[in-house]
Order: sequence, then structure tokens, then C-alpha cells
Amino acid sequence: KAGVTQTPRYLIKTRGQQVTLSCSPISGHRSVSWYQQTPGQGLQFLFEYFSETQRNKGNFPGRFSGRQFSNSRSEMNVSTLELGDSALYLCASRYPRDRADQEQYFGPGTRLTVT
Amino acid sequence: KNEVEQSPQNLTAQEGEFITINCSYSVGISALHWLQQHPGGGIVSLFMLSSGKKKHGRLIATINIQEKHSSLHITASHPRDSAVYICAVGGADGLTFGKGTHLIIQP
Repeated sequence: KAGVTQTPRYLIKTRGQQVTLSCSPISGHRSVSWYQQTPGQGLQFLFEYFSETQRNKGNFPGRFSGRQFSNSRSEMNVSTLELGDSALYLCASRYPRDRADQEQYFGPGTRLTVT
Repeated sequence: KNEVEQSPQNLTAQEGEFITINCSYSVGISALHWLQQHPGGGIVSLFMLSSGKKKHGRLIATINIQEKHSSLHITASHPRDSAVYICAVGGADGLTFGKGTHLIIQP
């Protein structure tokens, strides 16, 4: 099976712009989670989508949003970009067999630089 | 909110040494993950465990639920093991991550 793919891999945006990142999960996986990784804060959970519904959300401002399509592909959007949004954005997919099944498969990430 | 502490933050060892990385968390969890991240950012899930011990090749992960503690061991370490190792715990609000352990194995 193909792994989790993320596009684009690298992105440079200007403060105030918005950005959309895409994640295609492993075929058959219904859950997609998004994470932000910065040198200062490390890895932080953004949100999880399951069957097109947001299941969980981390402690991030409303500028960060996401959605999931019927084919399980997911997008996350960041509006009004700030310099602090520069980070590696990772998505991870899982089947899951049940709510306790949390084994996740990570994509390569999108490195966003805000100037 | 779960607090996840990893130690050590940085570890440099010689090839062949036995490596131990520790992870402690504050609140009961459903599962604990050990992740490996190489330069360039890609993350690989090494283990997910909720009890006992798992082994994969030269890697061993253990968890003590009562003590809220997990360890990742690397036997016969090799320079290709050099990476950041991250502990993460699962709960109702998604994964909470430790800060990571930056491991360097020198030949």
C-alpha cells in the first residue's frame, strides 16, 4: 500500500496570507490527524477527522481549520498567517479498528515558512 | 492535560552501546507511542503499547502502567540509529508528545 502523502512538501508564504495543506491517507484509513512541530513547542496536536467529522481539536486558534472529504483525504487551512506559524505540519492516518486503536502512520510533512 | 517528560534530552554514545530512553506521563492513558524522527522531518512509528513489552529487531519498548513510565532500549547501537526519539501518549484529546531525545551514535 502507498503511504501517507502530503502536498506540498515545502511552502513559503507571506504574513497575512492563507495557506491550504493536503493529506492523502493510506487507502482504507478513515482517520486523519494533523500536528504542528516547531523547535520551541515540539509536536502539538491540531485536530483529528474521522469520516468527514472533526473528532478532536487541540488548543489552537480558530485561524487553523480543517476538513475531510468522502475519500478520507484531508486539508488543513491556516488563515491570516503569522510568523509563528512557520513549522513542519504533519498528518497521520489510521484505520482504526475501534476508538482505542491508535496506531498511526505519519506522512513526510509540509514545511511552511512564513516571511 | 497529560504531561509527558522524556529523559535524557540529548544522548551521545559509541557504536555498540546499550541505549535507554525514558518517558514518564502524569495521567492514565490508553496507549503510548514511541516515534523516530530523522533529519528532514519524517516520523516513523516504532511501537504502540498499552502494557508489558514489545520487541522489534534491536529495539525493545516496555511500559509500567502503575508507575506511568515507559522505556525504549536499543541494543548494539549503530550510527544509523542516530535520530530524535519521541514518546507520545494517547488520550481523549489526541496525542500528547514529549520533547524528544536527540540520540547520536558515534562510530
